[in-house]
Amino acid sequence: AQKVTQAQTEISVVEKEDVTLDCVYETRDTTYYLFWYKQPPSGELVFLIRRNSFDEQNEISGRYSWNFQKSTSSFNFTITASQVVDSAVYFCALFRYNTDKLIFGTGTRLQVFP
Amino acid sequence: EAGVAQSPRYKIIEKRQSVAFWCNPISGHATLYWYQQILGQGPKLLIQFQNNGVVDDSQLPKDRFSAERLKGVDSTLKIQPAKLEDSAVYLCASSLLAGGRGNNEQFFGPGTRLTVL
Repeated sequence: AQKVTQAQTEISVVEKEDVTLDCVYETRDTTYYLFWYKQPPSGELVFLIRRNSFDEQNEISGRYSWNFQKSTSSFNFTITASQVVDSAVYFCALFRYNTDKLIFGTGTRLQVFP
Repeated sequence: EAGVAQSPRYKIIEKRQSVAFWCNPISGHATLYWYQQILGQGPKLLIQFQNNGVVDDSQLPKDRFSAERLKGVDSTLKIQPAKLEDSAVYLCASSLLAGGRGNNEQFFGPGTRLTVL
């Protein structure tokens, strides 16, 4: 079965705090992709990162960083020095290589207070 | 480059009424997707088109939902008749390539928020 679990329903932090959003996935595929999307109040899903199953290197992009660990089937997302504009719902998603199907988690709502 | 366009942005109807949503994908994108996002959940794929053919509609409630993609470009999603549980955001997405490629990024539209009273 293909499944994505985001156990944190909602996280609240104060500006400038670091915050980590957890993502655990289940798949029997050996080749797959993992995604993170941001959904601001405007509603559209904004692509943040894609990682394939053979690349376990951590990635940093500005204040964002991602930790992919195949051994624990996790793909966690950290925002450093959070800002109010980071407030949104964040979705982790699994993509099976031989299909075009994205399987989303239930999302984590992040609220950053000034 | 223009993004995925959807209309209307909001729609309120009464149960048993009909409703239609429209999506214009990014120009040149072969694949088009409709997702349903119920409040508090992640998006769930309803139907996937490749050009103007249906690739996957296994999650589409075909007794009340229908979709078409004319000439492989714009698409409409229709609900007839609507039920209370259809209240959700309907997201349209498109991707450049045709099927089966993991780096085939999906670009999402702003969605249509449907409320069924």
